Order: sequence, then structure tokens, then C-alpha cells
Amino acid sequence: DTAVSQTPKYLVTQMGNDKSIKCEQNLGHDTMYWYKQDSKKFLKIMFSYNNKELIINETVPNRFSPKSPDKAHLNLHINSLELGDSAVYFCASSHPEGPGVTDTQYFGPGTRLTVL
Amino acid sequence: ILNVEQSPQSLHVQEGDSTNFTCSFPSSNFYALHWYRWETAKSPEALFVMTLNGDEKKKGRISATLNTKEGYSYLYIKGSQPEDSATYLCAPLGQAGTALIFGKGTTLSVSS
Repeated sequence: DTAVSQTPKYLVTQMGNDKSIKCEQNLGHDTMYWYKQDSKKFLKIMFSYNNKELIINETVPNRFSPKSPDKAHLNLHINSLELGDSAVYFCASSHPEGPGVTDTQYFGPGTRLTVL
Repeated sequence: ILNVEQSPQSLHVQEGDSTNFTCSFPSSNFYALHWYRWETAKSPEALFVMTLNGDEKKKGRISATLNTKEGYSYLYIKGSQPEDSATYLCAPLGQAGTALIFGKGTTLSVSS
């Protein structure tokens, strides 16, 4: 069974459209994340949710809005898509392993978004 | 946000060679360090989580050491194999509850 899944795997769309990427984890983890892999293949944190609450929101345009309907899901909605949004988006989840948070992150397979 | 540097940026070795690369981070603000392995067209996979100065972790032919006082970690691969070809990412954690800030990685290519 897939631990962290994302849909769709590929998404091709026109500028100005609104699209969503879904992420689900069946690991029972408390925290979920969205990362963006840019053109230089650098993996950068976008959002982090813990138990359905936003805890990290790095500097991303407000056209990007994460939505967490429950602990197992963290979806990413993008309004008014721009050419620069083309990238691979990775979802991840983690669970604290002890009193501190040194938790390992488990990544989904990624969604390649292409904006034309 | 932690400033993470990894070197070298890329590395090409022959099968059977041993190799190592470096992750540097500010020593003044450290909680834990993660190493991930990222194969092309796949998603990053966790290798190690290290927390204590002097920590040494090992998984098969891959091992890592940690020096929190001087702010660096080394990843070693003994007897590299073609299947070791991947990008190796490190991500220090400055405090509990924060997201991982990944370095740009070291891309290893192993030729048979």
C-alpha cells in the first residue's frame, strides 16, 4: 500500500486556470507538508500542517492555498496559475518520534505541474 | 531559516570507489540533522536522523557522522555501486516543530 499518495501525477494546464493537487497519507501521521522543487531542483518548503492546523507558511504567493479536511489529507489549491508555477510539487508527512521533533518525513511521488 | 551548504555540488566516481560529501550548517542553532537520498524521477527517502555531537549512523555501505560544535556532517559511501547514483540531501533542524530546510544536495553518479 502506498504510504503517501498524490494525484494527479502530471498536470498540464493553461495560464490563469485554477487547479488542485491532492495528497493523502495512510501512515497515521500528525503533520503534513507541501514542497516545491524548482527549476534548479532545489526542494523548498511551502506549507506545513499539524492536525489540520497551519503551522508553517513560507513566503509563497497567496494564490496558493492549502486545505486540510482531515489529518490524513492535505490538498494544495492554486488560483490564477502562472508560467512560473511550473514545477514538481511534493507532499510529505511525518510523526514525532519522541519528546522533541526529529521526525522523519515520508514523501509522495510528486506532481509535475506544467503551465502553458 | 538555517543556511545549509552541501559540497561538492556533484561528484562522479567509478564503481568500487569510496566517497564522501559534506553538509555545513550554523552550529549556533542546531536541533537535529536529516540525510535523505533522492533518486531521479523518485521521491526523497530518509537515510538518517542525527541529533548528538559525535553521532555516527550506518546503513549498509553508507554511514554518516555529525559534529554539532563545528557545524558539519559527513556522508560516506564505501565501495560505490551504480545503484548509489542519486542526489543526497541534508536538512538541519534548528528547533523542534519547524520544517526541514534542505540543502541543494550532492549529486553522485557512479559508473560501472
